Amino acid sequence: DSGVTQTPKHLITATGQRVTLRCSPRSGDLSVYWYQQSLDQGLQFLIHYYNGEERAKGNILERFSAQQFPDLHSELNLSSLELGDSALYFCASSVEILGGGPGNTIYFGEGSWLTVV
Amino acid sequence: DAKTTQPNSMESNEEEPVHLPCNHSTISGTDYIHWYRQLPSQGPEYVIHGLTSNVNNRMASLAIAEDRKSSTLILHRATLRDAAVYYCILRDVAGNTGKLIFGQGTTLQVKP
Repeated sequence: DSGVTQTPKHLITATGQRVTLRCSPRSGDLSVYWYQQSLDQGLQFLIHYYNGEERAKGNILERFSAQQFPDLHSELNLSSLELGDSALYFCASSVEILGGGPGNTIYFGEGSWLTVV
Repeated sequence: DAKTTQPNSMESNEEEPVHLPCNHSTISGTDYIHWYRQLPSQGPEYVIHGLTSNVNNRMASLAIAEDRKSSTLILHRATLRDAAVYYCILRDVAGNTGKLIFGQGTTLQVKP
């Protein structure tokens, strides 16, 4: 158990719909990262938040958005869903952003399986 | 982000050592070498990381070439539970974000 909690674990929804994925980081972790993993694209970095502020954006579609709340939990909002958005979405957290110490280790949750039909 | 090159797949026999190579010829002086692995149907998990010197922990050892252009993850005695995709990642600690950029990784098969 990494200590990163993601809900829901599984979600099936129709095209055109909107869903919200939730992530609770490990206690004390200020950084939250979101990743998408599909069969043909591998693990893709989406976005990084640190203490409520966006720090980096990756291959995140405009239909997707995220935020990190004052209690440090994060939500990933996916709208106007398409079949191709079906994937496993991972949240990860770490204490620090930089440095070579143990606090820099990133811990991943078990993911949220999204199926768009 | 500097890139890494890994073999697509490797096989090992149970209880034998496994050496997983990684090439990173464009590594910069501020890049740390990180290894993560992903077991089937699970999120990636941290294995080990290092900068210049070889590193050991309870999971594995990391051997880093003197010029830092390559590294090797060593699993001393492979078990069936070590079957996973292993990712070698360069992480720039001098930038403004600590995101991990995953490549395709090496799929390790462990035979009983």
